[in-house]
Amino acid sequence: NAGVTQTPKFQVLKTGQSMTLQCAQDMNHEYMSWYRQDPGMGLRLIHYSVGAGITDQGEVPNGYNVSRSTTEDFPLRLLSAAPSQTSVYFCASGPVGSQETQYFGPGTRLLVL
Amino acid sequence: AQSVSQHNHHVILSEAASLELGCNYSYGGTVNLFWYVQYPGQHLQLLLKYFSGDPLVKGIKGFEAEFIKSKFSFNLRKPSVQWSDTAEYFCAVNGKGYSTLTFGKGTMLLVSP
Repeated sequence: NAGVTQTPKFQVLKTGQSMTLQCAQDMNHEYMSWYRQDPGMGLRLIHYSVGAGITDQGEVPNGYNVSRSTTEDFPLRLLSAAPSQTSVYFCASGPVGSQETQYFGPGTRLLVL
Repeated sequence: AQSVSQHNHHVILSEAASLELGCNYSYGGTVNLFWYVQYPGQHLQLLLKYFSGDPLVKGIKGFEAEFIKSKFSFNLRKPSVQWSDTAEYFCAVNGKGYSTLTFGKGTMLLVSP
């Protein structure tokens, strides 16, 4: 199994540009989520999904959209990038359940100029 | 709302020293507690977790953590650290159901050889 994969690994955007961060998992996990990691802030939840067609907002959803059309994929869209969205983005997946382990992808480092 | 507080942002130890990283959480109901580790340049991976039973849980690489309900704490310990333990450590809590994690801000551990 490849686990959780993310593309791209690194991206530079100009303010106002849009882009999609890709996340895929091959473990048949129902739960998938996106976090952003900023220095001194830990990981903050952006959006999550408990299955295909079901998404919900996390702690910091503004400026981001998600959709879940398949179990495997959970893309994160930035509609109009802002410098405040410069961060490292991690996708995670796992079984649904509060005791379950989350498996993280390698991250996407995004720089917005 | 649930929250997690990690006491130390940076810890520097010499090899063979003992380690204890503090973690306190705030949540009114039953919680599930996790410690994740992020080695330099790598993605997060699970060290250990607690959801019921023996409050002293053992994880990978010689780490252990003790859940003290009366203190709302879940401190991470290791009797003798190695240079390879240099990493950032995150405490996380899940009390909401599903698989949504709330992370602390992380503790960067540097072990000098």
